[in-house]
Amino acid sequence: DTGVSQNPRHKITKRGQNVTFRCDPISEHNRLYWYRQTLGQGPEFLTYFQNEAQLEKSRLLSDRFSAERPKGSFSTLEIQRTEQGDSAMYLCASSSGTVNPYEQYFGPGTRLTVT
Amino acid sequence: GNSVTQMEGPVTLSEEAFLTINCTYTATGYPSLFWYVQYPGEGLQLLLKATKADDKGSNKGFEATYRKETTSFHLEKGSVQVSDSAVYFCALGDAKQGAQKLVFGQGTRLTINP
Repeated sequence: DTGVSQNPRHKITKRGQNVTFRCDPISEHNRLYWYRQTLGQGPEFLTYFQNEAQLEKSRLLSDRFSAERPKGSFSTLEIQRTEQGDSAMYLCASSSGTVNPYEQYFGPGTRLTVT
Repeated sequence: GNSVTQMEGPVTLSEEAFLTINCTYTATGYPSLFWYVQYPGEGLQLLLKATKADDKGSNKGFEATYRKETTSFHLEKGSVQVSDSAVYFCALGDAKQGAQKLVFGQGTRLTINP
């Protein structure tokens, strides 16, 4: 069990560019979550997958954001036409459906800076 | 909607001092409650949890009791160490709100001086 991994760890991009982040959950976990954390705040929920199905999206997830989990394993989060307000830490977490689903295990995050 | 309010930081203590970080919540149902910790340069880690009223979660010398009557889940430790310096987040999860998402407080930065 290697834990949740995220790539890249840091991303600097210019406003208007597209970026894609990857999350690899703990292998036996069927639930996967994306959160966003800005400086001095707690993480805020973005979206949730159970296996390959995206079951809920936050209002924070504008049309420029899209997330996929094509085979129920890794997930990608894409941001199109990035804006400076998108600068944040993007966190991925996973959990097992057979244990308390709120017992979520977090990755180290991808820090996005939009210049 | 559900929300979590934490004691504002930063909190600075000396080694071996007693720690309390206050956390209160608002929820429509009967949530599960959590404390997560974020050490410098690392990801969020689950510290402890409680799933029903009067449950006490404990780990690494930290404790928190789920108090339904006061809607609180305060974090305590009897004798803190320098290695406890981190940011602590209180969180709740409520299945009645749909996805099993966690709702976090804003975090409390704790610094322990030797």
